[in-house]
Amino acid sequence: DAKTTQPPSMDCAEGRAANLPCNHSTISGNEYVYWYRQIHSQGPQYIIHGLKNNETNEMASLIITEDRKSSTLILPHATLRDTAVYYCIVRVGMGYGNKLVFGAGTILRVKS
Amino acid sequence: EAGVAQSPRYKIIEKRQSVAFWCNPISGHATLYWYQQILGQGPKLLIQFQNNGVVDDSQLPKDRFSAERLKGVDSTLKIQPAKLEDSAVYLCASSKGGTGVETQYFGPGTRLLVL
Repeated sequence: DAKTTQPPSMDCAEGRAANLPCNHSTISGNEYVYWYRQIHSQGPQYIIHGLKNNETNEMASLIITEDRKSSTLILPHATLRDTAVYYCIVRVGMGYGNKLVFGAGTILRVKS
Repeated sequence: EAGVAQSPRYKIIEKRQSVAFWCNPISGHATLYWYQQILGQGPKLLIQFQNNGVVDDSQLPKDRFSAERLKGVDSTLKIQPAKLEDSAVYLCASSKGGTGVETQYFGPGTRLLVL
């Protein structure tokens, strides 16, 4: 699996958009970009994933650059409950044996 | 839909003792994972089951850790004997299993402290 690089921490004002960057310069053509988050004392929670195109769901948007070497997770209106560690992961998404390799992630602190 | 259940939530033991953790995945999920998360780090996969067969246990310290998933549903992870460095949160996750893009659903974890 390709490695990812994320900033160790970020701050965001409540109600503003939170933009979390991730570099994955060694990503292969068949590797997906996944985002999970982990709120304190809970297990990781799936947010979104994508391969080439930008994706949006009820939680967030995922913007992947055209060369696929980086991506940005966007929380459009951050709330205090979005304070968590955010993990960017790239992996082959098909078939048995695929696995998530977590890095240290980005600690996002949403402040009022 | 019920989520992934784990027990106990907390456990304190002394080194060289044994401990066991239990996981009940989401109903119908064929794939089950055990992760170890040391404080300040991301989770690390220990073992992955597909039904009751092991898919990947390359990161499991087999001299002291063991896991089983009898009947392809519940799973137990055991440590015997425990070391100080085993202090961590042990997370269980499950996914539907198959050839598509998989989303893993995590339980709340068991926090282990080895003294």
